[in-house]
Amino acid sequence: AQKITQTQPGMFVQEKEAVTLDCTYDTSDPSYGLFWYKQPSSGEMIFLIYQGSYDQQNATEGRYSLNFQKARKSANLVISASQLGDSAMYFCAMREGVTSLAGNNRKLIWGLGTSLAVNP
Amino acid sequence: DAGVTQSPTHLIKTRGQQVTLRCSPKSGHDTVSWYQQALGQGPQFIFQYYEEEERQRGNFPDRFSGHQFPNYSSELNVNALLLGDSALYLCASTLGPLHTGYTDTQYFGPGTRLTVL
Repeated sequence: AQKITQTQPGMFVQEKEAVTLDCTYDTSDPSYGLFWYKQPSSGEMIFLIYQGSYDQQNATEGRYSLNFQKARKSANLVISASQLGDSAMYFCAMREGVTSLAGNNRKLIWGLGTSLAVNP
Repeated sequence: DAGVTQSPTHLIKTRGQQVTLRCSPKSGHDTVSWYQQALGQGPQFIFQYYEEEERQRGNFPDRFSGHQFPNYSSELNVNALLLGDSALYLCASTLGPLHTGYTDTQYFGPGTRLTVL
């Protein structure tokens, strides 16, 4: 079973509008972290935002916010005031469990991504 | 503040050959993870190094091996290359567990694009 599901292969948004990219996850571990990354055509993965499973408030980073609905196991990324430079692939990823002091358990599990195109 | 660097950026090899990819972590980071990203897919975890030891490994054959050096830099080696090894190889670094507030955010390098002919 897919642990991270991104159901939107492609999305279009008009410049200056907001867009929501969907992500659902599956885990039985009460401790986990959810990440969103942006991957432009150059290939580099750029960290956008993080949400811990015990965080009480939704994470925000500038124009990025994470709509975290724990009971529904969803962690949707909201990009406000879209810019042309936001056109890229967006990936949702999860880290299950807590990293041990031995340094274990840093593995990220990834979705298939959503391609976002911002139209002028 | 230097970010994660990887070399080379592109590489072309033939089947059966061996390849070594290199990664230098972000300044202050001591944990390195490697991922393989095939075209149109999300990254797949290969392995992770901390304190010069392999700490966790994904579902990759023994042809994939690695090393971490005392300066925290890392190498990924792939032997007996197959056509299916063609992919973007991403290196990510994080702070070690004694430093982090457990966000465990991984910062990625630009990747090495490997083509196997």
